[in-house]
Amino acid sequence: AQSVTQLGSHVSVSEGALVLLRCNYSSSVPPYLFWYVQYPNQGLQLLLKYTSAATLVKGINGFEAEFKKSETSFHLTKPSAHMSDAAEYFCAVTMKDTGRRALTFGSGTRLQVQP
Amino acid sequence: DGGITQSPKYLFRKEGQNVTLSCEQNLNHDAMYWYRQDPGQGLRLIYYSQIVNDFQKGDIAEGYSVSREKKESFPLTVTSAQKNPTAFYLCASSTAGTATDTQYFGPGTRLTVL
Repeated sequence: AQSVTQLGSHVSVSEGALVLLRCNYSSSVPPYLFWYVQYPNQGLQLLLKYTSAATLVKGINGFEAEFKKSETSFHLTKPSAHMSDAAEYFCAVTMKDTGRRALTFGSGTRLQVQP
Repeated sequence: DGGITQSPKYLFRKEGQNVTLSCEQNLNHDAMYWYRQDPGQGLRLIYYSQIVNDFQKGDIAEGYSVSREKKESFPLTVTSAQKNPTAFYLCASSTAGTATDTQYFGPGTRLTVL
């Protein structure tokens, strides 16, 4: 069965600092990986996704993530945090060649940006 | 504007009542999903549908029911059999329900049991 683990339920950075949100996956077959962002009391918005093309994926709002098979990781980064980045971030996985199309989510990381 | 609408935004239920959460999309998507969100637990799949008149149970389907009579609509009923229904409910849709599809989410319905 597929799963994702997000290390750190809360991350706090200063404005202008590097953002690093960690995601590790567990699966027996190659996964597809997604990062979503959720602002308070709202739905989720896709930041980026890995679908087995380029391992370095660029997304919206200056975020990017790198798929590392050897480390089973898909960490999300942004070089310089902005106050508007404060939100909750979810890593999610799906698998090809299975009947399941729905996403399996990690437990989320809440990002706080300090002025 | 294309998108997903969920109503109501807030819903209060008394013990023993069934309530229905609405989800409508005008994106012409074939696949639709219902997720439940609890603090610190991420999102968990309740039901999903890849085509009209067909749907499958997700990981936590007990106490919930759905229908998919129209492509654009996927209502979720929370029955009295659901013992702990207080949560944030999110509906999503995607084009064809393949593993690489982007899922687009509605704004959610917050259900509280009184």
